[in-house]
This record gives sequence, C-alpha cells and structure tokens, in this order.
Amino acid sequence: DSGVTQTPKHLITATGQRVTLRCSPRSGDLSVYWYQQSLDQGLQFLIQYYNGEERAKGNILERFSAQQFPDLHSELNLSSLELGDSALYFCASSVGLAIGTDTQYFGPGTRLTVL
Amino acid sequence: ELKVEQNPLFLSMQEGKNYTIYCNYSTTSDRLYWYRQDPGKSLESLFVLLSNGAVKQEGRLMASLDTKARLSTLHITAAVHDLSATYFCAVAPGVRIQGAQKLVFGQGTRLTINP
Repeated sequence: DSGVTQTPKHLITATGQRVTLRCSPRSGDLSVYWYQQSLDQGLQFLIQYYNGEERAKGNILERFSAQQFPDLHSELNLSSLELGDSALYFCASSVGLAIGTDTQYFGPGTRLTVL
Repeated sequence: ELKVEQNPLFLSMQEGKNYTIYCNYSTTSDRLYWYRQDPGKSLESLFVLLSNGAVKQEGRLMASLDTKARLSTLHITAAVHDLSATYFCAVAPGVRIQGAQKLVFGQGTRLTINP
C-alpha cells in the first residue's frame, strides 16, 4: 500500500457524461500527479499540482480539468466523455523536492469505462 | 521532446535464467526510475537512479544508469516466477524545479517467467 488513495475504484458511464475522480496524497506529500494508462497510448502524464498550484501540464485534453484543494487532495474532472477516454487513471504523489529522489508513489487507480 | 524507449517489449524466459531490459532516453536527465506493475494493479517503485554510474540492487534485480549514453538497464538474475510483471522505466526531463517533476514513461516490458 503506497499511502495514496483514489476513489472510485471503478466507474462505468455513458458517452457525453461528466465524472470526477478523487485522489488523496500520502501524508506529507505536496505534489499530486495525474496519469492516464491505456493500451494504445501507454502511460501518459496529464497534469501536476504542487501545494495547490498547477505546475506542469502534459497531454491533457481541454475536456479534462483538475484542481488541488487546500487539504491537498486533488480531483480530476472529465467531461463530454468519449469512448476513447476509457482507461486507467492513476494519481501519484511526492514530497515535491528539488533535490534527492522525490519518488512518485502511485495510487491504486480508477478504471473508467465509457459505453 | 523527451522520448523513452524500452526493449524488449515482451520477454518470456525460464526460471533460473538471466536477462536484461534496456531503457534509452533522448534528452538529458539526472533522474531515472524503474517501476513494476502487476496485471490490473498500480505501479510499485523499484529503483531511483540519480547519477552517472549509479547502481542499485534489490534481490534478483539490479538497475544501472549511464547518463552519457542515456541508457539504463534492469538486470534480472536467476529469474523466479514471482518476478513476472510489466516493468517500466521513467525519466524526469530537464532541470529539476521544486514542485515540478513530471515523468515520461517507456512503453513497458512485459516479463513472463515460466517454471
């Protein structure tokens, strides 16, 4: 158990709908990262927050948005869902240091199925 | 743009044998990570390599980093069935900034160890 929690574990929804994925980082970690894992795209970085502020953006669609709250938990919002959004979404957290290892620890993931 | 390539992508081997997974990356980085993923599960951190010539070992797994060649290897010694999993290398691009460290992942190497 990495200490990173994600809810829900599974999500099944229809095209055009909107969903929210939630992540709580490990105690003491200030950085939260979101990744998408799919068979065709592999593991792709979406977005990162550090202490409430957006710090890096990857291949995140405009239909997707995220935020990190004062208690450091984060939410990833996916809207106007398409079949191709079906994937495993991981949240990871790290301390956010500029030195040392700053290993990212991954949560269990949310499996999203869009029908 | 940083590209990370692993090879082989699929590896089937017998217990007791040795093998190496290779990870090449295209731009300068001083941080390379190895993760393990079991089917349907999250990613587990194995090693963090921070400097040229770094070598880390844990049980039957040993990872090394050559920053000049932009190459990392994950060597498996006397493989056992429990090591069957998908192994990912991941590289943090560019200069490290506090609170900003996305990871670019390789495609993953699916390792199957047969009794």
